[in-house]
Amino acid sequence: KQEVTQIPAALSVPEGENLVLNCSFTDSAIYNLQWFRQDPGKGLTSLLLIQSSQREQTSGRLNASLDKSSGRSTLYIAASQPGDSATYLCAVARRRRALTFGSGTRLQVQP
Amino acid sequence: GAVVSQHPSRVICKSGTSVKIECRSLDFQATTMFWYRQFPKQSLMLMATSNEGSKATYEQGVEKDKFLINHASLTLSTLTVTSAHPEDSSFYICSAGSGSGTSYNEQFFGPGTRLTVL
Repeated sequence: KQEVTQIPAALSVPEGENLVLNCSFTDSAIYNLQWFRQDPGKGLTSLLLIQSSQREQTSGRLNASLDKSSGRSTLYIAASQPGDSATYLCAVARRRRALTFGSGTRLQVQP
Repeated sequence: GAVVSQHPSRVICKSGTSVKIECRSLDFQATTMFWYRQFPKQSLMLMATSNEGSKATYEQGVEKDKFLINHASLTLSTLTVTSAHPEDSSFYICSAGSGSGTSYNEQFFGPGTRLTVL
């Protein structure tokens, strides 16, 4: 059974810092990996999708990498801003299967 | 990107009543939709996989007679919480794959439905 772990569980940083969120998964037979953002009481916003054949994806200040063989992904946020404060969820999928989510990293960026 | 809607966004009901939640893919067809549940300060947990024209597949520990799923068309899946109780209060989110046929790529999520059972 796939298990997804995210470290750290919570993170508080001053504005402007570059930061890295970590995600690990136990079964490397994945179809893709997605990073999501969730604001309190809200739904999910998809940030980046990495196919199993890819090693990284970039969108603006966000960069996500994938090392499928070691079961790891990182989300890099450059020049963090208070508006980045949210919970970040990592999720992996097998082909035609539902996503398995990590427990999330709660990020607080202090102005 | 593809859009998935959910209705209602928020519902408050009395214990013992049934609540229906709709999940629609607005601009694509989805042969498979997924229903997740999220309790406060926890991550999303898969409840069931909804397949168009066939019975849903439920995860272990999810009562199929309590959480009725109907996927009558390629753009609509419904989740009915029957005889709801306070412990069913949660955030329910659906998702749908953007592909067609036997494969799909990215999953798109609805905005979620906040259910509160008094």
